[in-house]
Amino acid sequence: GAGVSQTPSNKVTEKGKYVELRCDPISGHTALYWYRQSLGQGPEFLIYFQGTGAADDSGLPNDRFFAVRPEGSVSTLKIQRTERGDSAVYLCASSSQGGETQYFGPGTRLLVL
Amino acid sequence: GEDVEQSLFLSVREGDSSVINCTYTDSSSTYLYWYKQEPGAGLQLLTYIFSNMDMKQDQRLTVLLNKKDKHLSLRIADTQTGDSAIYFCAGGKLIFGQGTELSVKP
Repeated sequence: GAGVSQTPSNKVTEKGKYVELRCDPISGHTALYWYRQSLGQGPEFLIYFQGTGAADDSGLPNDRFFAVRPEGSVSTLKIQRTERGDSAVYLCASSSQGGETQYFGPGTRLLVL
Repeated sequence: GEDVEQSLFLSVREGDSSVINCTYTDSSSTYLYWYKQEPGAGLQLLTYIFSNMDMKQDQRLTVLLNKKDKHLSLRIADTQTGDSAIYFCAGGKLIFGQGTELSVKP
């Protein structure tokens, strides 16, 4: 596609529920990144994929967070047993192989009640 | 750990120049970036500078890099109301600053 897309744009869920957030990167981009942005803060790195594998998952806050990219394109960020503190905008970015410039999607705004 | 710091707010009048400053701790970054975020939108890459450069100019934008002091700045000439947004600097290893909210008054 023309840019990075993310779905849904907004997600409201209840504490304890499971959510999945989807990212569709720019076609041909091998690197994909997930960030979390809380109100008034800069993006906080979560995980980075190169192809299908997670090259760096050091930013995932705990084992309730997991992400996959089974075919090296679309990625899904999964959050189990959501907590109110998980409420944030989840941003996805992609870049070409060897490229350092990341292109961001519009984000998914997650609200946990 | 690695850190990127920015001042939180800047207010200027339309037509003036804006200068947004950033300091960072990680000196291993190959590139340093400036992103713009408008309300409710994702981050838009504005410009970047290679770490062995001192200055880069791109139309109304000028990036200055002082590697010795680990200081990066973004100058916007002839600031317009459409430039009102939050500006983030970012270094390698995917570390972003808190963002500087630029308010441009007519």
